[in-house]
Amino acid sequence: ELKVEQNPLFLSMQEGKNYTIYCNYSTTSDRLYWYRQDPGKSLESLFVLLSNGAVKQEGRLMASLDTKARLSTLHITAAVHDLSATYFCAAHLTVSGNTPLVFGKGTRLSVIA
Amino acid sequence: GAGVSQTPSNKVTEKGKYVELRCDPISGHTALYWYRQSLGQGPEFLIYFQGTGAADDSGLPNDRFFAVRPEGSVSTLKIQRTERGDSAVYLCASSSQTGGHTEAFFGQGTRLTVV
Repeated sequence: ELKVEQNPLFLSMQEGKNYTIYCNYSTTSDRLYWYRQDPGKSLESLFVLLSNGAVKQEGRLMASLDTKARLSTLHITAAVHDLSATYFCAAHLTVSGNTPLVFGKGTRLSVIA
Repeated sequence: GAGVSQTPSNKVTEKGKYVELRCDPISGHTALYWYRQSLGQGPEFLIYFQGTGAADDSGLPNDRFFAVRPEGSVSTLKIQRTERGDSAVYLCASSSQTGGHTEAFFGQGTRLTVV
């Protein structure tokens, strides 16, 4: 059974600071997804990481994937209040990309002044 | 719009009643997924359609839950004899699965409350 574990589950950080969210998964899924969810809203796709060593950046967020370690990270640089949301990572149920996603419990990020 | 559309956005029903939740995927997307999200949790997989057929329904919690996608586009999730524990946000997602790129796009969800 695929397990996707994120840590931390809750993160309160000051504006301007850097931090990393970790996502470990238990099978050999070769792609990893990061989503953002604002309160009462649906999931917004942030990054799709398709191969070992993949690194993608968008604004103050950077995601990376190490398939050998079964680890993905989401790094936040110089946090701003607008980044406050819940962040989910997800991996495919099996190695094949044509299977449903299994999500972590999410990391609730709160950026404070 | 071009996104995944779900109706209704909110549904309140009495315990024991039957409900139907609708999902209109992105045009041309062959894969459609239903997830359930409880408060403070990540989405949990329910069922996955590839075209008209259910490719994987292993996430359905019991036989009160059923979903159809008769023409390979719109899907309906049906819940019989609703229980208070069924209260959650039901999310639908679709993906095109072309070229191995299987990014799923989510709808806004239906918030189901069973009273």
